[in-house]
Amino acid sequence: EIVLTQSPGTLSLSPGERATLSCRASQSISSRYIAWYQQKPGQAPRLLIYGASTTATGIPDRFSGSGSGTDFTLTISRLEPEDLAIYYCQQYHSALQSFGQGTKLQI
Amino acid sequence: QLQLQESGPGLVKPSETLSLTCSVSGGSFSRGNFYWAWIRQPPGKGLEFIGSIYNSGSTYYSPPLESRVTISMDTSKSQFSLKVTSVTAADTAVYFCATKSTSANSPPDYWGQGALVTVSS
Repeated sequence: EIVLTQSPGTLSLSPGERATLSCRASQSISSRYIAWYQQKPGQAPRLLIYGASTTATGIPDRFSGSGSGTDFTLTISRLEPEDLAIYYCQQYHSALQSFGQGTKLQI
Repeated sequence: QLQLQESGPGLVKPSETLSLTCSVSGGSFSRGNFYWAWIRQPPGKGLEFIGSIYNSGSTYYSPPLESRVTISMDTSKSQFSLKVTSVTAADTAVYFCATKSTSANSPPDYWGQGALVTVSS
């Protein structure tokens, strides 16, 4: 089972700043099968990034992903108030998908 | 555009079986190399992958839950289901059903709204 560890647990920033969220996998994720989700209270998660760096349909270009192997990053440039949410990384390299524990972004 | 909707009892007694159904509309249920997944989220906590079933019939369950979980599908009704036996308070959570939109290896991008299941006597 692949374990994903996200850091930091909480990130407090101001509008207009840049957010950098990290996700480390317990083993190398081939073909970069890493996704990032945004979840707001009372809502289902929303897919932001897949394939480690491909932005999903309808997602603003402020959101970008990078990384390979075991270390992956979600970057949100120019934070806006509506970016307040919890962000999860997920691996789908294995049929036994798994999620990181989440990073809470406070703005 | 696919739409997924969870349904089932919102309250289950300890030691009993939790049963949920996900109804799929707006697209073909029997699509190539696609999976139908269940994910849960205890109140105030993170997302936990429970398991999935592929259109081939293959199932995959999270190791901590494997002994208590069964996922099945009914193609004729465009539904897939989750059963969790011997539930405890720790199984209280919002349960999401989800799937992907392409045949390529991709993460879930279609999700139901979620169904809260509380385990309590």
